[in-house]
Amino acid sequence: DQQVKQNSPSLSVQEGRISILNCDYTNSMFDYFLWYKKYPAEGPTFLISISSIKDKNEDGRFTVFLNKSAKHLSLHIVPSQPGDSAVYFCAALDNYGQNFVFGPGTRLSVLP
Amino acid sequence: ETGVTQSPTHLIKTRGQQVTLRCSSQSGHNTVSWYQQALGQGPQFIFQYYREEENGRGNFPPRFSGLQFPNYSSELNVNALELDDSALYLCASSLRSEGNSPLHFGNGTRLTVT
Repeated sequence: DQQVKQNSPSLSVQEGRISILNCDYTNSMFDYFLWYKKYPAEGPTFLISISSIKDKNEDGRFTVFLNKSAKHLSLHIVPSQPGDSAVYFCAALDNYGQNFVFGPGTRLSVLP
Repeated sequence: ETGVTQSPTHLIKTRGQQVTLRCSSQSGHNTVSWYQQALGQGPQFIFQYYREEENGRGNFPPRFSGLQFPNYSSELNVNALELDDSALYLCASSLRSEGNSPLHFGNGTRLTVT
């Protein structure tokens, strides 16, 4: 039973446009969320986080939005660059504060 | 600041054998977590170590075991390897303190079981 879902396996966006990656979760006790980017042959790289006391967090080109009532978060990348092409994972911290539960990932391709 | 390093980068083992994977934490971090990432999936939590003790475990059998050393480095041991153990094994370190902090991952060890 997947507690964190990323329903789009892949996404293609034109360079300079906005990329929106979505994530849904089922456990209402999750209260800390992260986004990671992963290139082939490398480990996941931390991008941005958000706590449940906020509904938005921004860091440069990356903004994460959290809708607790819908159990939904999204990552916006503006403007998208070819170097953003990677697999993006969302993750949620479990009830015990030990284990991050990851979604299956979305492969983003930014086309020049 | 030294990041998380893992060794070896690649490993091929035969079913039934045992394997040890190693991880050095990012400097200043006191907690180590291990994840298994199968092809096309997100990382799955194996266990976490804090103060040299297991501090949480995912849905993995006891043949997956680990250690954390006083310098916060860590090992993952897998006994009686099965074909399904073929995966990317990721080590991540973090700082346990007040509030939540993100995991910082190494580049992983690619294990192939034949």
